[in-house]
Amino acid sequence: GAVVSQHPSWVICKSGTSVKIECRSLDFQATTMFWYRQFPKQSLMLMATSNEGSKATYEQGVEKDKFLINHASLTLSTLTVTSAHPEDSSFYICSAREEDTQYFGPGTRLTVL
Amino acid sequence: QKEVEQNSGPLSVPEGAIASLNCTYSDRGSQSFFWYRQYSGKSPELIMFIYSNGDKEDGRFTAQLNKASQYVSLLIRDSQPSDSATYLCAVKGSGYSTLTFGKGTMLLVSP
Repeated sequence: GAVVSQHPSWVICKSGTSVKIECRSLDFQATTMFWYRQFPKQSLMLMATSNEGSKATYEQGVEKDKFLINHASLTLSTLTVTSAHPEDSSFYICSAREEDTQYFGPGTRLTVL
Repeated sequence: QKEVEQNSGPLSVPEGAIASLNCTYSDRGSQSFFWYRQYSGKSPELIMFIYSNGDKEDGRFTAQLNKASQYVSLLIRDSQPSDSATYLCAVKGSGYSTLTFGKGTMLLVSP
């Protein structure tokens, strides 16, 4: 199956700093990538859909100025959490679409102190 | 609003039994159906997909689709403790629509 990587796998930062998470499709080109967030014992929540070369589409309630998404190439999308606060601590998971199927990255665990 | 419904569980089965996980969806135009497995603290992993009515088998896993009833299921034969995880059903409409995920069913396989 297709492989999606994420970096870093975990990050701890201080409140007020920004954190960038990278998502790469390793063996296929992904026109569309997705960013999810998952709090402990809760279900996946889609944050935004990113299309290569265009602006991301954010789900209702997700602040686009806080969660900056860039999809500059067919194999790389980045999510930047700006001015992170403790309530942003969560498991962030990207997903890349190949034809009809979505493949998930291993996730990034963000802890904001 | 497209909805995908799953029983949250937990579904408990003994080792060696058949686990049956069910999912219903609201969008009659849905075209593609997926099952993902998510271990605690990990990201979802694709197990199977099915597009046509009927059964599709892959090893110990069988996906079953009934579009008339808007129902998709996953059977796991000879369940193992390592199968203990949350199973997510995902449904995709026509075109390039995004996947709609159910909240998942937790499966516990006891030795």
